[in-house]
Amino acid sequence: NAGVTQTPKFQVLKTGQSMTLQCAQDMNHNSMYWYRQDPGMGLRLIYYSASEGTTDKGEVPNGYNVSRLNKREFSLRLESAAPSQTSVYFCASSAPGSGSYEQYFGPGTRLTVT
Amino acid sequence: SQKIEQNSEALNIQEGKTATLTCNYTNYSPAYLQWYRQDPGRGPVFLLLIRENEKEKRKERLKVTFDTTLKQSLFHITASQPADSATYLCAPTPWSNTDKLIFGTGTRLQVFP
Repeated sequence: NAGVTQTPKFQVLKTGQSMTLQCAQDMNHNSMYWYRQDPGMGLRLIYYSASEGTTDKGEVPNGYNVSRLNKREFSLRLESAAPSQTSVYFCASSAPGSGSYEQYFGPGTRLTVT
Repeated sequence: SQKIEQNSEALNIQEGKTATLTCNYTNYSPAYLQWYRQDPGRGPVFLLLIRENEKEKRKERLKVTFDTTLKQSLFHITASQPADSATYLCAPTPWSNTDKLIFGTGTRLQVFP
């Protein structure tokens, strides 16, 4: 099993450009999450999806959109990138409905917006 | 608002000693609390989960305690090794939404030979 995979690993954008971060999991988990991690701020939840077809805002959703394409895939879109969105982005999945609350994280996408 | 505090200063200890990391939370009552390990350039990895009604949990050299009166969790690594060097994150999860974790900023542990 690959677990949680993310693409791309690195990306540099200019202010105003758009891009989509891709995430996929092969563990048959219902819940998927997008976080950003900044120095001194820890991991902050951007959006999450409790099941296919549902999404909900987290702590810092502004400037982002998400799509739960199917049970496996959860994408994060930046419509008009800003320097404040320079960060490391992590996707995660879990199966809380089965009583298993731990989250499995992908390797991260390092995004720089100039 | 909900607040989680972990010591932002790095903890430096000698190999073989016990490392103790602290996680304090305020303004909510967690249903459970998780600890994760994060190595530089990588995603967090789950280590242990302790529930509200559990006082202590162990896994190999790891031990977690959960004091709901003090609103604190302690994470211990006994017989520490240089390979234990990493950042450790705690994540108390509120009853209001157990689907979502709230992470502390983490404490960096450095074990030197």
